[in-house]
Amino acid sequence: QVQLVQSGTEVKKPGASVKVSCKTSGYTFSNHGIIWLRQAPGQGLEWMGWSNTYSGHANYAEKFQGRVTMTTDTSTTTVYMEMTSLRSDDTAIYYCARENAESGTYKCDHWGQGTQVIVSS
Amino acid sequence: SYVLTQAPSVSVAPGKTARITCGGNNIRSKSVHWYQQKPGQAPVLVVYDDSDRPSGIPERFSGSNSGDTATLTITSVEAGDEADYHCQVWDINSHWVFGGGTKLTVL
Repeated sequence: QVQLVQSGTEVKKPGASVKVSCKTSGYTFSNHGIIWLRQAPGQGLEWMGWSNTYSGHANYAEKFQGRVTMTTDTSTTTVYMEMTSLRSDDTAIYYCARENAESGTYKCDHWGQGTQVIVSS
Repeated sequence: SYVLTQAPSVSVAPGKTARITCGGNNIRSKSVHWYQQKPGQAPVLVVYDDSDRPSGIPERFSGSNSGDTATLTITSVEAGDEADYHCQVWDINSHWVFGGGTKLTVL
């Protein structure tokens, strides 16, 4: 079965960087993109960017350009999201999700369990 | 940028019908997807392409899309349906767009 398993909780100081992993299994890795989202406490879902697992290319929401890098390791079917210059308002749960475009529309059909990132001095 | 608007909360009695709306400019021209998120859990896709259900999702969950409003309808609401519900579309400029989420409370 399709699984996305994320790395564990991270506690970082302001100004530091964090790298979250999303290990996938149960399907052909290069057939589906991976998107990253975050959810601040009590807030909705915010799209951060998308990784093309076939080409390795990524595109980012304007808000995160220059501060977020998404990379793909096809040998381990793992996608990574790294964020630099962390601030307290980056405290959130970060999710990876599998993109499904099989009906010609874009939606997320499988999700990781989420990674809590806490930014605090 | 494209914006989706959801009411913060909706309350419904058990056994009744809940309607959760998602507003967007000419949203009928887009395909709307809905996710259910229970406390402490990741979201789950419950309706896609306006009105289709993934396998395993009860028929009590249905969707519609017209004009500037898409609607997720849950009939015969159960206590286990209490959750946050998020709508989502894909926009050529904004890419992945999510509404702010609606908290469904079962009274």
